[in-house]
Amino acid sequence: NAGVTQTPKFRVLKTGQSMTLLCAQDMNHEYMYWYRQDPGMGLRLIHYSVGEGTTAKGEVPDGYNVSRLKKQNFLLGLESAAPSQTSVYFCASRYYRGRSEAFFGQGTRLTVV
Amino acid sequence: DAKTTQPTSMDCAEGRAANLPCNHSTISGNEYVYWYRQIHSQGPQYIIHGLKNNETNEMASLIITEDRKSSTLILPHATLRDTAVYYCIVRPGGGGTSYGKLTFGQGTILTVHP
Repeated sequence: NAGVTQTPKFRVLKTGQSMTLLCAQDMNHEYMYWYRQDPGMGLRLIHYSVGEGTTAKGEVPDGYNVSRLKKQNFLLGLESAAPSQTSVYFCASRYYRGRSEAFFGQGTRLTVV
Repeated sequence: DAKTTQPTSMDCAEGRAANLPCNHSTISGNEYVYWYRQIHSQGPQYIIHGLKNNETNEMASLIITEDRKSSTLILPHATLRDTAVYYCIVRPGGGGTSYGKLTFGQGTILTVHP
């Protein structure tokens, strides 16, 4: 049982380049989330999804797009990377019912130069 | 979601109990207290949650005051591997319109010393 897997683990981008971060979960969870974490700070929610084909904005959505074409995958896209998007990105998923816990991936460390 | 206040940092000796406080004075009746921890920039890990009764699992105990305005996470026998940032989060239980979103503060940096 792999849980939540993020790809890639590290990436360096030049300003203006685009890329997609992949999050895959094998727990059949309905809810999925993308967070970013800047140095010395807590995680902030970028976008989330409550089911296949649905997405919604979180606290800091600007500059990012997401897609949830398959239940197990949640993609985070950067259309034109900026240095301000240098951060560690975490994906999470959880079961929709009750007070279930969220499971997090190991993170993607992105540097935009 | 209710705001939480935690000390910035705490120290604990290995083998002793670590008691991490959290204030959540604006918590509402349907909101639960959750604790997560983050070890050395790994993804956060769920520890425990509760509504109003004290809770215990294999990792920790959660003590919630009767008025629910504060809580304490207890690691009964801290080890070096418990050194981490501990986040106290308040959110509604269940799905609903909150959709399980978590609002992270800066948490408490717990350092366990040999």
